[in-house]
Amino acid sequence: NAGVTQTPKFQVLKTGQSMTLQCAQDMNHEYMSWYRQDPGMGLRLIHYSVGAGITDQGEVPNGYNVSRSTTEDFPLRLLSAAPSQTSVYFCASSLQGGYSYGYTFGSGTRLTVV
Amino acid sequence: KQEVTQIPAALSVPEGENLVLNCSFTDSAIYNLQWFRQDPGKGLTSLLLIQSSQREQTSGRLNASLDKSSGRSTLYIAASQPGDSATYLCAVVLSGGGADGLTFGKGTHLIIQP
Repeated sequence: NAGVTQTPKFQVLKTGQSMTLQCAQDMNHEYMSWYRQDPGMGLRLIHYSVGAGITDQGEVPNGYNVSRSTTEDFPLRLLSAAPSQTSVYFCASSLQGGYSYGYTFGSGTRLTVV
Repeated sequence: KQEVTQIPAALSVPEGENLVLNCSFTDSAIYNLQWFRQDPGKGLTSLLLIQSSQREQTSGRLNASLDKSSGRSTLYIAASQPGDSATYLCAVVLSGGGADGLTFGKGTHLIIQP
C-alpha cells in the first residue's frame, strides 16, 4: 500500500518558471489537501479538495492553482514561481475530511526558487 | 481563528526518562486532534488520533490525552529512546467542517541523549 506519493522530492526553479507538484493516493480518500511548511511558520493549508471536481482555497492560496479530475490525483501548479514560494510542500489525504480517520501525509517536495 | 501552541519548542532529555509534550488550542470546538512525528527532511507520520469525545489514546509507549473544555492535549512518552528524537506536531480539525483541514502547532523539537 503506497499511501500518498509525491513527486518530485526536490526541485530548483528560476523565478518566473512554472511547474506542477504531483500528488497521488491509492486509499480511495475523498479529501486531499496541500500544505506548505516554512521555518517559524509551521504548516499552512494552501488548497484542498473534498472530491473529484471540487476544490477550494486554504489559508495561503495566492500563486498556486489546483484541480481534481480524479479521486486519486491532486496536482499543485505554480504558474510563475517566486522566491517566496521556496518551501517544503506536503500533500495529505483523508477518508472523510479528517473526521474519523485522521490524515495521511506524503513525504514532501522541497522546492527552491532562485 | 484557531491557534495551536506547543510547549516547549525544544526539549533535550537523557535516554530512559518519561516526558510530556504539551499542546493547547484556542477554540475548543474541535472534532479531533492528531499527533504527528516528523524526522529531519522527512514527511509527517501519524502517531495518535483522539476524537473529541475521547479522553485519551495509547499506542505502545505513547499516550495522548485530550481535555477539550480547557483546550489542552498532552503527549506522554514513556522510557524515552534515542530513536524518539524528532519533531512532534499536534494538529486539530475544527467542528462543523473538516474541509478547513488541519491547524498545526509549530512543534516540539525533541532530542533524546544516549
